[in-house]
This record gives sequence, structure tokens and C-alpha cells, in this order.
Amino acid sequence: GENVEQHPSTLSVQEGDSAVIKCTYSDSASNYFPWYKQELGKGPQLIIDIRSNVGEKKDQRIAVTLNKTAKHFSLHITETQPEDSAVYFCAASRTHGQNFVFGPGTRLSVLP
Amino acid sequence: DAGITQSPRHKVTETGTPVTLRCHQTENHRYMYWYRQDPGHGLRLIHYSYGVKDTDKGEVSDGYSVSRSKTEDFLLTLESATSSQTSVYFCAISETTSGGAKTQYFGPGTRLLVL
Repeated sequence: GENVEQHPSTLSVQEGDSAVIKCTYSDSASNYFPWYKQELGKGPQLIIDIRSNVGEKKDQRIAVTLNKTAKHFSLHITETQPEDSAVYFCAASRTHGQNFVFGPGTRLSVLP
Repeated sequence: DAGITQSPRHKVTETGTPVTLRCHQTENHRYMYWYRQDPGHGLRLIHYSYGVKDTDKGEVSDGYSVSRSKTEDFLLTLESATSSQTSVYFCAISETTSGGAKTQYFGPGTRLLVL
């Protein structure tokens, strides 16, 4: 089955700097990769996703890149702000599969 | 939280007692999921449903059962709670997108403590 690894487990950056979180997956049939942000005491919120027919996707300060050959994808946050502090999860799924397999999460702290 | 409510939001129970958690959606989405979240494990799928009365097991289904008698409600039951089932439980819903992948949206979670 699919296995998703995520690094780093914790990340601290200064406000205004960039943050990068990386995930690798094992199932070459996976072709949908969402990213979720979870704030304390809340459920995960979808922030961006990418499908395998696209190499990069951007939404304001957030971007995701995908390398299908190497089976890894990354979340990039530019100009970080204190409100970006949260736990971020990546996931992988087959287009017509039922299961999302999640990475273990990255705790991002943006220091003012 | 995408029209998803979970009840109760917090529960403390004793080992051996039955517990039922409820997920209710107002989005009329076909698919519903139950996950548990534990430190270091991310989110792990317990059971999911692809329609009324249609359910299947996920990665960590032992000790859990589910039922879906209406589109809007998905119940998770712990027949006899154990301390290892202390966790935060999240419900999610999804509908097939035009691209075929099923984007999932999560509820606010239920924190369960089994003493």
C-alpha cells in the first residue's frame, strides 16, 4: 500500500522568510496530492492540491511542486506570517481510490 | 468546516463501555469518512462510506463499526472502548470532482478519552 513520509517534523522560520515542507510517496499510481493546514483545536483545512498532470500550482503565497519521477512533492510558503503557524499535512491518493494516505505532519512556527 | 458537525465534541468514558460518535453533513456529499488522529501518525482512516448503507473498512478498523442510514449522517461506534482508542476523531466528506479525485473536507473533531 501507499506510504507517505513528510519532513521536517518541526520547522521554525522568521516572519517574512520562506518555508518548505517535503513529502515522498511510494505508490506510483497515486496522482492526487492535497495539502492541509490544521490549527490548534480545529479540523484540517485544505489549502492547496495538485494533480499529476501538473508540475506546479500556485495560490498567492502558497505553491506546491510535484516530481512524479522522484515521487516527491513539496509545499512552499513565501513571506510567512505568524498566522501561518500550524501543523501541515500532505496526503496522496489515486484518482479513483477511496483512501487518502497522510504524512505524519509538520509543525510550522513563524517567529515574529 | 464545510457544513460538517460532529457530536459530541468532547467525551470521557470508561473502558468497556460503548461509545457512538456522530457526523452530520449539510452538503449532500456521497462519501463520508472517519479518521483518528494520534501524535506521530497523522490521520489514519478507520471506515468510510460511499452511499447509504454502503461502508468499507480502512487502515485501522479493528474495534470500530459504522452505520449510515441517511445521506447526511455517519455514525462511528466503539462497541467496547479501550484505552488505545483514546484519540481525536475526525469526520470528512467528499464528492467526486471533475478530475475524478475526491477532495476531502474535515469536520471540527471529537476528542475522546477512555479511562
